[in-house]
Amino acid sequence: GAGVSQSPSNKVTEKGKDVELRCDPISGHTALYWYRQSLGQGLEFLIYFQGNSAPDKSGLPSDRFSAERTGGSVSTLTIQRTQQEDSAVYLCASSLVSGQGSFFGPGTRLTVL
Amino acid sequence: DAKTTQPPSMDCAEGRAANLPCNHSTISGNEYVYWYRQIHSQGPQYIIHGLKNNETNEMASLIITEDRKSSTLILPHATLRDTAVYYCIVRVANSGGSNYKLTFGKGTLLTVNP
Repeated sequence: GAGVSQSPSNKVTEKGKDVELRCDPISGHTALYWYRQSLGQGLEFLIYFQGNSAPDKSGLPSDRFSAERTGGSVSTLTIQRTQQEDSAVYLCASSLVSGQGSFFGPGTRLTVL
Repeated sequence: DAKTTQPPSMDCAEGRAANLPCNHSTISGNEYVYWYRQIHSQGPQYIIHGLKNNETNEMASLIITEDRKSSTLILPHATLRDTAVYYCIVRVANSGGSNYKLTFGKGTLLTVNP
């Protein structure tokens, strides 16, 4: 596709369950970011992948959060033992390494009951 | 990354130009100014970016002061669909590591009125 896609668009889970969120970046984009946005709040940086370099995990809120990017393309964000405070919209973005604008996907709305 | 300051909200009449200011007085020489917007319930959308020269694309114009301590995003003919939160971000480009991270502030809620 032409843009960044994310799946699922909505995810409702029970507290304590694990969830996986997927991001398909724009083809050829080497940089990939994950952000989250809680209701009425700003965007919070989570993790950044750039090519084969070690990812910048400085924004991950706890060790329950992890992400991987396979083959330099698709990325999966995993949240283990979900808590209610994890409820948010999780946004993925990709960009060319040259510093052009980042393009965001539509997000995954996660609700932890 | 340098911090930015934006007014929390602005109003604009439909069809008129919307001028959104941003202060970034601590910007470094290698930091670019980026603008994004977020329409309600959607992901952020890239608008434009620049270093020191004014820039224009199909969406907007970016005017950066000579000392680079402030900039203005101009939507020449605002429409109702331009109602959104507009974010001004400064960031190093063409560099690796965490310098690519976008740090979003609270932005400016632009409301375009009919």
